[in-house]
Amino acid sequence: EVRLVESGGGLVHPGRSLRLSCAASGFRFEDHAMHWVRQAPGKGLEWVSSILWNSANMHYADSVKGRFTISRDNAKDSLYLQMNSLRPEDTAFYYCVRGITVPGDVWFDPWGQGTLVTVSS
Amino acid sequence: VLTQPPAVSVAPGQTASITCGGDNIGSKSVHWYQQKPGQAPLLVISDDNDRPSGIPERFSGSNSGNTATLTISRVEAGDEADYYCQMWDTRFEHPVFGGGTKLTAL
Repeated sequence: EVRLVESGGGLVHPGRSLRLSCAASGFRFEDHAMHWVRQAPGKGLEWVSSILWNSANMHYADSVKGRFTISRDNAKDSLYLQMNSLRPEDTAFYYCVRGITVPGDVWFDPWGQGTLVTVSS
Repeated sequence: VLTQPPAVSVAPGQTASITCGGDNIGSKSVHWYQQKPGQAPLLVISDDNDRPSGIPERFSGSNSGNTATLTISRVEAGDEADYYCQMWDTRFEHPVFGGGTKLTAL
């Protein structure tokens, strides 16, 4: 069974940092680009960041560029998101997702269960 | 920008159509996700009209011109969920989602 399990969410003060982790199983992790997608409570989905299978390229949404860093460890089948200088508007469920990538396109399957990050004083 | 109606209502047993509007969206591939309350999104349609394993045949998609459509035939109470369209935006070079549509089975 293909599975993604996030961890590391919680309550954090504005300006502080948090590191999310995602453990993958049931597929060849090193063969796939991976992404983070977030969803503010009661709101829609927002793509956050992506990383190629070999970490050669990382991309970020403008809303997090310069503050968040995506990384992966293929030996541990794990994906990470280092979030610095957190803001209240970063409050959201963060989903780890596998990217199904073809030239010029990507879709997401499966999704992890999500981890909630709350930024508040 | 992908535009979805905030809500669609349909009687059980009838057909629901959820639209996703975008400039010349028919020239791109569109993917659809179902999200039930308290759950993570689930891929229901990829590449305009491909159903992943385990998704009922009642779910289908189409895409032409400026509108992509997710069609759910013989709607059941269990289909009540938020539905999101998604595509790759060549302007921003990253994926983008529609705002989501809440499907209610009256």
